[in-house]
This record gives sequence, C-alpha cells and structure tokens, in this order.
Amino acid sequence: DQQVKQNSPSLSVQEGRISILNCDYTNSMFDYFLWYKKYPAEGPTFLISISSIKDKNEDGRFTVFLNKSAKHLSLHIVPSQPGDSAVYFCAASARGGSQGNLIFGKGTKLSVKP
Amino acid sequence: DAEITQSPRHKITETGRQVTLACHQTWNHNNMFWYRQDLGHGLRLIHYSYGVQDTNKGEVSDGYSVSRSNTEDLPLTLESAASSQTSVYFCASSGSLLGFYTFGSGTRLTVV
Repeated sequence: DQQVKQNSPSLSVQEGRISILNCDYTNSMFDYFLWYKKYPAEGPTFLISISSIKDKNEDGRFTVFLNKSAKHLSLHIVPSQPGDSAVYFCAASARGGSQGNLIFGKGTKLSVKP
Repeated sequence: DAEITQSPRHKITETGRQVTLACHQTWNHNNMFWYRQDLGHGLRLIHYSYGVQDTNKGEVSDGYSVSRSNTEDLPLTLESAASSQTSVYFCASSGSLLGFYTFGSGTRLTVV
C-alpha cells in the first residue's frame, strides 16, 4: 500500500503564477518530509524539507506547508518560472523509527509555460 | 569536489545475463541506497547500506543483490536479468538518516 501519495501526475501553470503541488501520507510515524526536483536524464536533487514540529518552511520562492492532522503537505512555488519545469517528488521518513529511509511518492510533472 | 557517480549511463543486456551497476561516492557517506524509477511507480527502494559490510533489503529487492566492502562503493547486481528489470536506476548517499540524499545521474538499463 502506498504510504506517500501524489495524486496529480501532472500540473501546468503559467509563468509568474503560483504552482501548488500536493502530497498525502498514511504513516503517522513519518516525522520528516522532503521535496526533490528531477530534470530529465539527471538524478533527483533536494529542494526543501520540513520537520513535523513545524507547519511551514520557506526558502526563497519555495514554501512547504505541513498539515499533520490531515496528513497532507504541499509545495508552493511563487512565482513560477519556466526553469521550474521538472518532476517533483514528495518523500517522507520516520527518523525515530525503523523506517529511516526515504519513501517517495510517484511524482508530479510540473510544466511552467512562458 | 565530492561527487557520486554511476556507471554505465546506459546498458542493454539480454535476459538471463548477470549485470552489475556501479555506484561510487567521494562524500565519505556511510549510507548508500539504490532506487529504481518506473513510470507510474516513482522511486522505489531496492537495497541500502548503513556502512561497510552492512546491507539491507528494500521494497523491491527480489532479483537484486548488493555488497559493501568499502565506504565509497555499493555495486548493484542483477543475478539473472529479466525484462521487468528494465528501468532507470539511481544510487544515492547520505551522511545521516535525515533525508539529505545526494543522487547520482542514473543508469538506464534495458533488458531484451
């Protein structure tokens, strides 16, 4: 059963607008969440993370929001740029438990149109 | 600069052959991981290692093996390649279990 779910395989937004990528998880033991970005023919690269003790973390144009009661997190990109076009993976881990490894979602392909 | 490299970048092999994919990192990270990426499945963990002589099975380990004889390398072996193992394989390393993985550029493996 999938523990980390990204239900939107793709998202298309206009340059300058906000991109919102969503992620849901089922394992209540997860306490650390990350977003990775992947361009074609390259490996994923770390983008931003959030601990379960926070509900928001911001880094420049990227903000991750965590709603623990809903087991939901989202990545906001404002303003979106064509260079943001990539596949975004949500990942989670339970650092204090046996699942210290990252569990990834299936990814969402973001297309930012000029 | 420290890096993580995978070789080869592309490989075509025949069903039933043994194949080994290389992963080498110069970060001096204790933790190393192998994932495969497939359309509709995202990134799935195959095997991982928390240090020399330590190896563990991940979510999709059947048909794969790894060995860790030093800090820098974690080769992934497909004992008898199957068409279902056609995929893109990513190696990653981290210095802690906090999720800051550094990924290699991937190996695209095709089993015919």
